[in-house]
Amino acid sequence: SQQGEEDPQALSIQEGENATMNCSYKTSINNLQWYRQNSGRGLVHLILIRSNEREKHSGRLRVTLDTSKKSSSLLITASRAADTASYFCATDARDSNYQLIWGAGTKLIIKP
Amino acid sequence: ETGVTQTPRHLVMGMTNKKSLKCEQHLGHNAMYWYKQSAKKPLELMFVYSLEERVENNSVPSRFSPECPNSSHLFLHLHTLQPEDSALYLCASSLQAFSGVPDEQFFGPGTRLTVL
Repeated sequence: SQQGEEDPQALSIQEGENATMNCSYKTSINNLQWYRQNSGRGLVHLILIRSNEREKHSGRLRVTLDTSKKSSSLLITASRAADTASYFCATDARDSNYQLIWGAGTKLIIKP
Repeated sequence: ETGVTQTPRHLVMGMTNKKSLKCEQHLGHNAMYWYKQSAKKPLELMFVYSLEERVENNSVPSRFSPECPNSSHLFLHLHTLQPEDSALYLCASSLQAFSGVPDEQFFGPGTRLTVL
């Protein structure tokens, strides 16, 4: 069953603006990960945030985690054309040591 | 580059063909994965190998047959596929082995498979 669900499904903004994507999940988790996928390519890991963390930064990326609301957000500041991609959240599955549960992704388009 | 390579990058095959997808990781990882990515659907985990042993098989049809000869190589053998099997097939690896919590996964560029 689908665990992570990204919102919105698609987002189009001007270069230089900030982009915010959200992810909701259903069951308790150990960690939540965000990945980026450029068109038709493999996924690239962005950030892993553990359930006891509330916020994490990496360059222009900021991830927050609210376990009480079972949600996470990914903020990209000062967006660039190269940020155009699909962004996915993934959470661990309660009954598996290996399986990540993936959302369908948010497609982000940065307009020059 | 993520340290995970996949060949071929594109594959077109008929329903009666037999082909294989290859994945190689140069990261010294202990776990390797096959995923199927179809348009507008979440990533589907197909198989997981940890230390060359298959540890997960998510009800994948038998026309897909994985093989992991060593910790660096992973194959997906394909035979008598259906048109609905057309998708992007992604290989990934991660450091863990029996750690209990999924960690960061490193993905290859994928093989775009079209079944005619």
